[in-house]
Amino acid sequence: EIVMTQSPATLSASPGERATLSCRASQSVSSNLAWYQQKPGQAPRLLFYGASTRATGIPARFSGSGSGTEFTLTISSLQSADFAVYYCQHHSNWPPTFGPGTKVEIK
Amino acid sequence: EVKLVDSGGGLVQPGGSLRLSCAASGLTVSSNYMSWVRQAPGKGLECVSIIYTGGSTSYADSVRGRFTISRDNSKNTVYLQMNSLRAEDTAVYFCARGLGSDWVFDYWGQGTLVTVSS
Repeated sequence: EIVMTQSPATLSASPGERATLSCRASQSVSSNLAWYQQKPGQAPRLLFYGASTRATGIPARFSGSGSGTEFTLTISSLQSADFAVYYCQHHSNWPPTFGPGTKVEIK
Repeated sequence: EVKLVDSGGGLVQPGGSLRLSCAASGLTVSSNYMSWVRQAPGKGLECVSIIYTGGSTSYADSVRGRFTISRDNSKNTVYLQMNSLRAEDTAVYFCARGLGSDWVFDYWGQGTLVTVSS
């Protein structure tokens, strides 16, 4: 089973600031990496898959990059709606495991 | 519009059983990978089971032999039969659709809470 890790655990930032979230896989997953956003009491929302393919309806301020074992989710200018928990997940094989999440909170 | 409605959760004693349902509209469950993903209170996400378009299935090690995923094409519904439940199975269970026959989940149900406690 591939182990996913994320850093930082918590990111404190102000609206308008740039946020950079990291995700690492214990072995190469090629570009088979997805990102999700989750708000309290809600189901996760798909942001990216294939490391950098934006899901339907995701704003351009979000971008995804990376390959192999190192991946990054960048939010260019934080909006109030972006404060949430973000999970990465590999989709290379079964089981598709998730990282522990990064909480983006208002500073 | 795609909609997944999860139901069947509740309080059950350790060793008990429960069956979750995921009623789909706007998509055909037999033409998609359909999965159950759970989230323990305050914790992260775990994909516990999936049923593929051909009907084959996969399970996480943590539930293999205790949980069974199935689907009823006539009702366009996916099920998760959970037996021999343990305290560590306590979680919100989400049904999710695999995008493009992959392990990427683009549509999710609202979740149903399963609590295993005496």
